[in-house]
Amino acid sequence: QVQLQESGPGLVKPSQTLSLTCTVSGGSISGGTYYWSWIRQPAGKGLECIGRINASGRTNYNPSLKSRVTISVDTSKNQFSLKLTSVTAADTAVYYCATGEIGGPDDFDIWGQGAKVTVSS
Amino acid sequence: DIQMTQSPSSLSASVGDRVTITCRASQNIRRYLNWFQQKPGKAPNFLIYATSSLQRGVPSRFSGSGSGTEYTLTISSLQPEDFATYYCQQTYSDPPTFGQGTKVEIK
Repeated sequence: QVQLQESGPGLVKPSQTLSLTCTVSGGSISGGTYYWSWIRQPAGKGLECIGRINASGRTNYNPSLKSRVTISVDTSKNQFSLKLTSVTAADTAVYYCATGEIGGPDDFDIWGQGAKVTVSS
Repeated sequence: DIQMTQSPSSLSASVGDRVTITCRASQNIRRYLNWFQQKPGKAPNFLIYATSSLQRGVPSRFSGSGSGTEYTLTISSLQPEDFATYYCQQTYSDPPTFGQGTKVEIK
């Protein structure tokens, strides 16, 4: 059973870059036809898909964040990562990594526990 | 982006009640509709995919239906562990988008 774990700084200063890593265990990030996604949730609010990547490095980004987002994959470490540049307080949220085993790339049946990131000076 | 609108935003119900949550899409999403359950401080839990297919391990009291732009999640007999927030999600077109959530509270 694939498991996901987010890691990274919990506090980022405004205008700087948010960086998070998701470590995949219990399976290979290169296995199957999986896509690996990042999703965020501001406190008390709904869910927003940030983007996804596959093992070959093909990416899709939410147009609302596309100019600031980079998602990359490191198959040797079984990890994928998120970088979000020029952050503001509006980027404060819990960031989840997720994937789908049973269906399409956005059928998120496996989630990490979430990483809380606060943007503040 | 496709806008997903859930109703109601919150509801109060008792154990044993039948509960129905509606999700409306801004355009036809051809049954590419998922449902998630989220409890405080936890990641969402995948309940239903493709409108009506129950994820493995999800109790049969949960069911989904719908087509076109209108979809529903029904809990046939609410249990104490079902008090949570529920989200619909469309996967018909990029980016996938979620509804704003429906909080199911204890009456």
